[in-house]
Amino acid sequence: GAGVSQSPSNKVTEKGKDVELRCDPISGHTALYWYRQSLGQGLEFLIYFQGNSAPDKSGLPSDRFSAERTGGSVSTLTIQRTQQEDSAVYLCASSSAGTGGDEQYFGPGTRLTVT
Amino acid sequence: GQSLEQPSEVTAVEGAIVQINCTYQTSGFYGLSWYQQHDGGAPTFLSYNALDGLEETGRFSSFLSRSDSYGYLLLQELQMKDSASYFCAVPFSGGYNKLIFGAGTRLAVHP
Repeated sequence: GAGVSQSPSNKVTEKGKDVELRCDPISGHTALYWYRQSLGQGLEFLIYFQGNSAPDKSGLPSDRFSAERTGGSVSTLTIQRTQQEDSAVYLCASSSAGTGGDEQYFGPGTRLTVT
Repeated sequence: GQSLEQPSEVTAVEGAIVQINCTYQTSGFYGLSWYQQHDGGAPTFLSYNALDGLEETGRFSSFLSRSDSYGYLLLQELQMKDSASYFCAVPFSGGYNKLIFGAGTRLAVHP
């Protein structure tokens, strides 16, 4: 079946604009994660969804960042009033369960550039 | 806090064996994962160790010592396609549902 997909693949936006990043997880996966990766760096956890539970937002860097997951499937990460430091690759992952050892399947990412 | 340390770069030649080390500091421990990421690509899962010892999967093996807060990824019979970044990761303390990643080790395999 299809893997995790993300759109757009690239997004260039002006400082101060809002952006929406989309993630389509693998069908049937209950857990969905958003990470951010700056150039040459590791992945930084942002937010986690598990089934119908309240999302774990503990990794969101500021209140300009928000995310939702509709119908337990598609997720949208929204960044309001973008800043240059928001420039990074935003990666979405999904897994069939929510345990730490569970393999996370990553999408190709959205490269966000804030000018 | 929680942190992971791994070397930033490793260089090796085709056919050789290379070991990428990872030390971690966590207030709770659930296991150590390894991911591979080629330039411009998505991370892909390689292995997960919850218990001490060596786990082998083809040319790749992963080792964990919980008493030493240490693990490593062993790559044998290196191929050019193994050139990539390798990340160790541990679940957040108290919530084994999200991962903390190390900064990654960039492996360059030369002919």
